[in-house]
Amino acid sequence: SQQGEEDPQALSIQEGENATMNCSYKTSINNLQWYRQNSGRGLVHLILIRSNEREKHSGRLRVTLDTSKKSSSLLITASRAADTASYFCATNKVGGSEKLVFGKGMKLTVNP
Amino acid sequence: SQTIHQWPATLVQPVGSPLSLECTVEGTSNPNLYWYRQAAGRGLQLLFYSVGIGQISSEVPQNLSASRPQDRQFILSSKKLLLSDSGFYLCAWTPLDVAATNEKLFFGSGTQLSVL
Repeated sequence: SQQGEEDPQALSIQEGENATMNCSYKTSINNLQWYRQNSGRGLVHLILIRSNEREKHSGRLRVTLDTSKKSSSLLITASRAADTASYFCATNKVGGSEKLVFGKGMKLTVNP
Repeated sequence: SQTIHQWPATLVQPVGSPLSLECTVEGTSNPNLYWYRQAAGRGLQLLFYSVGIGQISSEVPQNLSASRPQDRQFILSSKKLLLSDSGFYLCAWTPLDVAATNEKLFFGSGTQLSVL
C-alpha cells in the first residue's frame, strides 16, 4: 500500500531557483528517505532522515521531518538542469520489518 | 566495492509466455534483496523481498514468483505472463547488518518489460 505521497506531482523551474518537494505519510516511521530517478534508470539514494531528527543537509539538499504532521520536505537549492529527474520519498514503518514503501514520485524539470 | 547487476535491460514478451529476470549482487554477503515494480506514472510497488537463501516474502498476490537459489542471486519468474505484468522491474539490496534499521537501498538499472 502507498505510504508516502509527494506533492506537487510535477514541478518546473528555472536554473538557479530552489525546488521544494513535500512528502506526507500515514503511520509512524523509523526513517524517511529520498531517492532520485533519471528517466528509465534505477533509483539512487539521496538522503535519509531518522524519526528523531528534524533536519538534515547534504550538499545542495536539505531535508526536514515533522513527525507530528507526518510530513517531510526536500529542498534543492540553486537547481541545475542536471537535477531534472523524478524524486521519491520512501518510509520504513515502525514494525514494517525490512521494507521501504515508496510514494508515487514527483517529476522535477529544471529549465536551462 | 559492491555492485548490483540486473538483466536484461529491456524485454518484449507475448502474453502467456514465461519470464525470468535475474539479479546478482557482488562484493557483499547475506544481503537483503528486493524486487519492485514501477508501472507508468506510478510509484514503486514492492513485490518480493528476501532476507536469506530460500527465504521469500511476497507482498502482493500476483502472477509472479521469486526465488533466491544463492546468497547473492535473486530471480523473478512467471509461468504465464499477463498484459498487466508490463512495467519497469527493479532489483535492490541492502546490507544485512544494517537491515534492522533499513538503511538505504541500492538499485539495479532496471528491466523494462512489455507484454504484448
